[in-house]
Amino acid sequence: GAGVSQSPSNKVTEKGKDVELRCDPISGHTALYWYRQRLGQGLEFLIYFQGNSAPDKSGLPSDRFSAERTGESVSTLTIQRTQQEDSAVYLCASSLATGRGRSPLHFGNGTRLTVT
Amino acid sequence: AQSVSQHNHHVILSEAASLELGCNYSYGGTVNLFWYVQYPGQHLQLLLKYFSGDPLVKGIKGFEAEFIKSKFSFNLRKPSVQWSDTAEYFCAFYTGRRALTFGSGTRLQVQP
Repeated sequence: GAGVSQSPSNKVTEKGKDVELRCDPISGHTALYWYRQRLGQGLEFLIYFQGNSAPDKSGLPSDRFSAERTGESVSTLTIQRTQQEDSAVYLCASSLATGRGRSPLHFGNGTRLTVT
Repeated sequence: AQSVSQHNHHVILSEAASLELGCNYSYGGTVNLFWYVQYPGQHLQLLLKYFSGDPLVKGIKGFEAEFIKSKFSFNLRKPSVQWSDTAEYFCAFYTGRRALTFGSGTRLQVQP
């Protein structure tokens, strides 16, 4: 079956440009997460969507970062005026909406963003 | 603030050696604990999980982890590693207050 799909797989952009990253979760998964992984570091939580609830944006590093999700489908992560420190792999994951994180996260392959 | 620490950043072992990767979390309440693995060129996937009950949990491929509440630890173990275990291993926990919190990862390299 189809897993979590992210596009593009690689993105090189110039400093100051805006970028948009896309995530297609597994069908039926109401929870969707964005994480960032900088080189040599762990996964940094960015934002979490759960059904129609207000998203948990507590991990977004600055107001240049935003994310949208339409219903229980596609999500886009937008980074405005990119900076070199935004270079990282951006990972999307989805899961069933069970309590206390009981449902495992299914990750996509990520988008590798390089800001030059 | 809740956090997870993985003290071993890079571990190199020979095949058949025993493995133990450390994981400590910082949170005073009830937690659900996980180990995720990322094999070269693949996406992250769940290795094992602990919610409640027997603190010794067994996962795929012969891995196990032990939850020691008094030490806030959830170390990953395998008695005899194989070359195919070469991967990056991430400890994670969930408190119910926010999304899954991950450690910085441990890169395991198994030499044939």
